[in-house]
Amino acid sequence: DIQMTQSPSTLSAFVGDRVTITCRASQSIRSWLAWYQQKPGKAPKLLIYEASSLESGVPSRFSGSGSGTEFTLTISSLQPDDFAIYYCQQYNSYITFGQGTKLEIK
Amino acid sequence: EVQLVESGGGSVQRGGSLRLSCAASAFTFSSYWMHWVRQAPGKGLVWVSRINTDGSGTTHADSVKGRFTISRDNAKNTLYLQMNSLRGEDTAVYYCARARIPGAPDAFDIWGQGTMVTVSS
Repeated sequence: DIQMTQSPSTLSAFVGDRVTITCRASQSIRSWLAWYQQKPGKAPKLLIYEASSLESGVPSRFSGSGSGTEFTLTISSLQPDDFAIYYCQQYNSYITFGQGTKLEIK
Repeated sequence: EVQLVESGGGSVQRGGSLRLSCAASAFTFSSYWMHWVRQAPGKGLVWVSRINTDGSGTTHADSVKGRFTISRDNAKNTLYLQMNSLRGEDTAVYYCARARIPGAPDAFDIWGQGTMVTVSS
């Protein structure tokens, strides 16, 4: 099974900051990686697919990069609405989610 | 509006059974792979099961293999999850989700609102 490891587990930042979340796969997943945002009591929302493609309707301050085993999600200028939990997901071989990164207001 | 709506959750005793349903609307349900994902209280997302477009191919996570069965009725635009021999660790919100690209496994672009399953001893 492919394991996905996100870092950090918690991230504190100010509105306007640029932040990066990392996701590492235990083996190559090529570019079959997605990023999701989840707010309390809500279903996850797709942000990025195929490692770097922005889902329709998602603000351009979100971007993804990477391939193989190392991936990043970057938010260029944090907005109040961005404070949430973020998950990576591999879909190269079955499905595995990372453990999540909680983005908190500093 | 493209939508998934789950139902069937509730409280059940350990060892019992439940069947979850996920009703799809405003898209060609039969063209998409579908998934179940669960989230225990305060925990992360865990993939449970997937099914291909015509229901001929299914996969389950090891943690539910032999106890849960995913199925679909394309005529009714509905996805199911039959859950048997329920354990305490199955307590979670269960989401159904659609794979983004018709006919292929992919990222999940549409999610239901979730249905809570509570297994008590």
